[in-house]
This record gives sequence, structure tokens and C-alpha cells, in this order.
Amino acid sequence: GAGVSQTPSNKVTEKGKYVELRCDPISGHTALYWYRQSLGQGPEFLIYFQGTGAADDSGLPNDRFFAVRPEGSVSTLKIQRTERGDSAVYLCASSVSSGNNEQFFGPGTRLTVL
Amino acid sequence: GEDVEQSLFLSVREGDSSVINCTYTDSSSTYLYWYKQEPGAGLQLLTYIFSNMDMKQDQRLTVLLNKKDKHLSLRIADTQTGDSAIYFCAEKHGSGTYKYIFGTGTRLKVLA
Repeated sequence: GAGVSQTPSNKVTEKGKYVELRCDPISGHTALYWYRQSLGQGPEFLIYFQGTGAADDSGLPNDRFFAVRPEGSVSTLKIQRTERGDSAVYLCASSVSSGNNEQFFGPGTRLTVL
Repeated sequence: GEDVEQSLFLSVREGDSSVINCTYTDSSSTYLYWYKQEPGAGLQLLTYIFSNMDMKQDQRLTVLLNKKDKHLSLRIADTQTGDSAIYFCAEKHGSGTYKYIFGTGTRLKVLA
């Protein structure tokens, strides 16, 4: 596709459930970033990948959050035992490489935990 | 520490200049960025500046960087109603990671 896509666009789940959020980066982009944006806040860094490996996962809030990018393209953010405080918009961005200055953002997945 | 701060709101009249300010704390930042977020749209990169520069101009946008005070500003000349949006500054770390830290955002409202 022409841009970064994220699925689903909206996800409603119950407290304690497991969710997976998917990001399809722009073809050929080797760097992929995940952010979380709460209402009225800026994007909060979670993790970024350079290729298949997680280059920096220091923003993941706790061990309930995990992300993978097994083939260096599509990435999945996984949240176990969801809590109401996990409700936010999860944004994905990609760039040609992590040293490149232009990140292209997807539209986000709005996660609501009831 | 990692902290990027912005004022929350700015209101200007159409045709006036807007100045959005940002302060950051990480002295190892290599690049600083301005992004725009419109309702229902993704974040869009507007411009960026390398940390050893003090000014960058790009059409109606002027970025000023005071590295000593860790202060970044974005000036929009001849502000239009289409400029109404939330503006985020962001810094990219330079020491061993390429993660970005975003500010809280400034909501710009342009009055006709």
C-alpha cells in the first residue's frame, strides 16, 4: 500500500483479555516504531525495530506488552491481561531506516478496555 | 531525564504569525522535529532541524533552536484557518538509540 496501515482501527475488549494490534509499514522501510497516545497527550514511545530486531524497547510499560516483527515488515503489538489504563490510541510509524529523519505514521488503533 | 514540554493552547487571527514554543531536557538530542496532527488524520512531519543549527526556514515555517536553553520554536507566517491543528515537537536521542520523545502538543486555533 501507499502508506502505513494499522488494523483494526478500533478494538473494544474486556479487562483481562488478550489483544493483538497489527501494523503494516511502507514497503521497504526497515525501521518501525510503536507509540501510545492517550487523550490530550503526545505520542509516548513504546518500542522500535530496525529490521527484525527490537532496537529499543525501553518504553514498554511492563511485561504485559510485547511486540514482534518476525520478517522485518509487518509488526504485531501484543497486550496480555489488558487493564482499563491501557485504553489509548496505538500508533505505528515507519521510516526508511532508524537513522532517517522522516517517520510516516499510520492512522492508529483505538483500544478501549472496558 | 526525558521531558519535552509545550504550552497547551494558542489562538491567533487569520493572517497573523503564530509562534509555538517547546522546551526539552536531553542535551544529547541530535534532531528536533515539528509534527502536525489534524482531527481524524495521522501525524504529519512538518519540518526538522539538526541540533548544531540555530535556524531553519521552509516556506511559511521558521524553526529557531536555542541549544543552550534547550528551547525550540516554530513560527508560522500568515497563519490560515487550515493551520488549525495540534502541533507536537519531538526530539530524537543521539546516544545509542534512535527513539523519539514527543511533547504534549499545542492546540492552535486560527480565528477567521
